[in-house]
Amino acid sequence: GAGVSQTPSNKVTEKGKYVELRCDPISGHTALYWYRQSLGQGPEFLIYFQGTGAADDSGLPNDRFFAVRPEGSVSTLKIQRTERGDSAVYLCASSFPTSGANVLTFGAGSRLTVL
Amino acid sequence: AQSVAQPEDQVNVAEGNPLTVKCTYSVSGNPYLFWYVQYPNRGLQFLLKYITGDNLVKGSYGFEAEFNKSQTSFHLKKPSALVSDSALYFCAVRDMYDKIIFGKGTRLHILP
Repeated sequence: GAGVSQTPSNKVTEKGKYVELRCDPISGHTALYWYRQSLGQGPEFLIYFQGTGAADDSGLPNDRFFAVRPEGSVSTLKIQRTERGDSAVYLCASSFPTSGANVLTFGAGSRLTVL
Repeated sequence: AQSVAQPEDQVNVAEGNPLTVKCTYSVSGNPYLFWYVQYPNRGLQFLLKYITGDNLVKGSYGFEAEFNKSQTSFHLKKPSALVSDSALYFCAVRDMYDKIIFGKGTRLHILP
């Protein structure tokens, strides 16, 4: 596609439920990043992939969070046993690293609300 | 570990005046630095980047940024502010392993 697509755009769930957020990056972009943004804050790094492998998952808050990218394209961020503190906008970005210029193209985000 | 600091939560500038949004960074190795902008109800958009070369880099919408290695700063500037520049601005730094982290953001208000 022409841009980074994230679904759903909005997700409301109850505390304790399981949630999956999907990111479809720009075709050919090998790097894919997940961030979390709370209101009025900067994007908080969660994880990034080079191809199929997670190159750095140091930002995942705890073991309730997991992300996959099995074919090196679409990625899914999975959150188990959701908590109210997980409420935020989850941003996905992709890039094609050239000459060290990892210019990120962001999706519109998935707004997660945990009641 | 790398870090980015944006010391100002908000910057107010009169239209037509020059603006500066401050950013300082810490990273091992050569810094790769970026500015992104977020307009209300819009996604983050790339403005400009520094990789190497000239310390003054030019980007979109008339913005530029000055890299200062000794002060580990990468301040965003524009000679003449427009009301439409009002938005949230984020500085970002990439480490040697391609991890990119963002500052907390600075809200820029351009007053008519």
